[in-house]
Amino acid sequence: DAEITQSPRHKITETGRQVTLACHQTWNHNNMFWYRQDLGHGLRLIHYSYGVHDTNKGEVSDGYSVSRSNTEDLPLTLESAASSQTSVYFCASTGAGEDTQYFGPGTRLTVL
Amino acid sequence: QKEVEQNSGPLSVPEGAIASLNCTYSDRGSQSFFWYRQYSGKSPELIMFIYSNGDKEDGRFTAQLNKASQYVSLLIRDSQPSDSATYLCAVNYLRRNYQLIWGAGTKLIIKP
Repeated sequence: DAEITQSPRHKITETGRQVTLACHQTWNHNNMFWYRQDLGHGLRLIHYSYGVHDTNKGEVSDGYSVSRSNTEDLPLTLESAASSQTSVYFCASTGAGEDTQYFGPGTRLTVL
Repeated sequence: QKEVEQNSGPLSVPEGAIASLNCTYSDRGSQSFFWYRQYSGKSPELIMFIYSNGDKEDGRFTAQLNKASQYVSLLIRDSQPSDSATYLCAVNYLRRNYQLIWGAGTKLIIKP
């Protein structure tokens, strides 16, 4: 079955370290999204991509970057982790022309 | 004013009763409206989407959309303890290039 996976599921890191969160989908979806979820804020968009080599900033993109070298993967990199980036991160995808998003299981990141 | 607002709850409903969840949004250009369910520690999963004014029914769930008043609601009939979760409302925003904007969610508790 087609699916969307994230790894790692849990990560503890130290302030200042670079961290990369992986997202992989097998639906062949063009559109992929990264969100963070914090209490009281709901889901906030970090970056998104509409296809290979396309990336766009969302509302909370500072301190994060993404790259899209193939259809299946959209890794999220925290260039220099900060305690404010402690959160749960979700990757989502949707097909071309659709707006229903399907989510991965999430990554819980703690920055000490 | 938040772009998508939901009462954070918790909303407590007896088993077998109707649970009513509400969401308001600020962009009159929005065209697509979604309800997702999120169990604690899990990722959001789609329950329903609605595009047109009026009601849309799917089993025990009914989504209601009123574009003039800018609200969308979700009714859950014959509520079950397994319906206990946080319900997220999402709206696509013309002003944000039709990105989904998410409410912070309403926590629903079904009491046996």
